[in-house]
Amino acid sequence: GAGVSQTPSNKVTEKGKYVELRCDPISGHTALYWYRQSLGQGPEFLIYFQGTGAADDSGLPNDRFFAVRPEGSVSTLKIQRTERGDSAVYLCASSLHVGGRYEQYFGPGTRLTVT
Amino acid sequence: GENVEQHPSTLSVQEGDSAVIKCTYSDSASNYFPWYKQELGKRPQLIIDIRSNVGEKKDQRIAVTLNKTAKHFSLHITETQPEDSAVYFCAARLSSGSARQLTFGSGTQLTVLP
Repeated sequence: GAGVSQTPSNKVTEKGKYVELRCDPISGHTALYWYRQSLGQGPEFLIYFQGTGAADDSGLPNDRFFAVRPEGSVSTLKIQRTERGDSAVYLCASSLHVGGRYEQYFGPGTRLTVT
Repeated sequence: GENVEQHPSTLSVQEGDSAVIKCTYSDSASNYFPWYKQELGKRPQLIIDIRSNVGEKKDQRIAVTLNKTAKHFSLHITETQPEDSAVYFCAARLSSGSARQLTFGSGTQLTVLP
C-alpha cells in the first residue's frame, strides 16, 4: 500500500514568513509523529498525535510551532515567524499503535530552508 | 527523558566483512528498540527492531542484540555489501507515561569498501 507522504518536498521561505507542512499517514494508522532532522543528526521529536488529539507536544521548541490533525488522518505542521534556525528536514511518521505494533514508518520529509 | 548514545560515528569495512554498531540508553522503562537505515536525501527506513522481552533477533544478514541489564543494544551486519553503505540510526521508545516517540542516537555513517 501507499506509504507516508509529505508535501511539499522542498520549501524555501524568507525569515519572518509563515509556512505549513503537510503529512498524509499510512491509511489506518492512528498514531502520527513529527520529527525534525538537522544535518548530521538523528531525528528529534516534535509532537505526537493519537487520533485527532495531540497526546504529547513536549518536543515543540516554542510557541511559533503548532500542529493539527482535525480528522485523525492528515496532519499539518505550522511554523509562524520563521527563523533561520528553523531550517531542517521535517519528517513525519505514522504507526498502527494497536496490538503492540510500535513500528514507525517515515515519510520522505520536507526540506525547509529559511533565508 | 530518554537519552540514546550511539557509536562509532563513522565505520568503514571491507566488502564481505562484518559491521557492528552499538547504542546505550538511559531509561530502563524503554521497551522497544528499532534500527533505521537512511541513505543520502532519503527517508529513514526501518530495517529491524527488538522488544525488551527478547535478547536477540535476526533477519538474514542483519541481527540485533539487547542487554537490558546493561541497557545497551547492537546492530550486526554480516557479509557487508556496497549497498549497505548508509547512515544507521538506533532508537528507543519508552513504555511508560504518555511518551510514545522514538529517541534517536546520533547516527553511524557506514561505508562498505568494494
